[in-house]
Amino acid sequence: GAGVSQSPSNKVTEKGKDVELRCDPISGHTALYWYRQSLGQGLEFLIYFQGNSAPDKSGLPSDRFSAERTGGSVSTLTIQRTQQEDSAVYLCASSLGDLPNSPLHFGNGTRLTVT
Amino acid sequence: GESVGLHLPTLSVQEGDNSIINCAYSNSASDYFIWYKQESGKGPQFIIDIRSNMDKRQGQRVTVLLNKTVKHLSLQIAATQPGDSAVYFCAENEYGNKLVFGAGTILRVKS
Repeated sequence: GAGVSQSPSNKVTEKGKDVELRCDPISGHTALYWYRQSLGQGLEFLIYFQGNSAPDKSGLPSDRFSAERTGGSVSTLTIQRTQQEDSAVYLCASSLGDLPNSPLHFGNGTRLTVT
Repeated sequence: GESVGLHLPTLSVQEGDNSIINCAYSNSASDYFIWYKQESGKGPQFIIDIRSNMDKRQGQRVTVLLNKTVKHLSLQIAATQPGDSAVYFCAENEYGNKLVFGAGTILRVKS
């Protein structure tokens, strides 16, 4: 079946511009996660959604970062006034239920480059 | 072992040999652990998971061992194949729905 889909796969933007990254989770998955992966690093948690609510936003690095989820499905991660340190791969994952009952399934990410 | 910045630990094995990838986790209260495989340009792919009430779990060609006394997790891959070459991450569920990932280990399979 279809996995987690993310778009765009690559995004190059100028410093100071806003960007939107999109995630389509696996159909029927109620939980959705955003992670960030810098070059050669592990994954850094950003935010978790259950349905359309975000009970854990503790990983968002600054108020320039925000995310929303609509219809219990698609999610958008928005970064305002991008900085060079925002350059990374942004990964979305979904799961059928809460941990530890359901593992996370990841998309292939959006590679963001801020010039 | 420890990894700093871009210098991930690397394990090189001969095709057909068994591989053992180790991970030290941080929180003794973590109750769920997952191993992921990540190939270049792709997202992490689920391999196997284990709960803290178990010390061993087997999958197809893979086994995860959990030692809670020393907070250590290992992934064993039997008869390693070239397609197993990737970066392997362990992750722990510390609380709620947050997975905390280790820095990763590079597995290189020599033919």
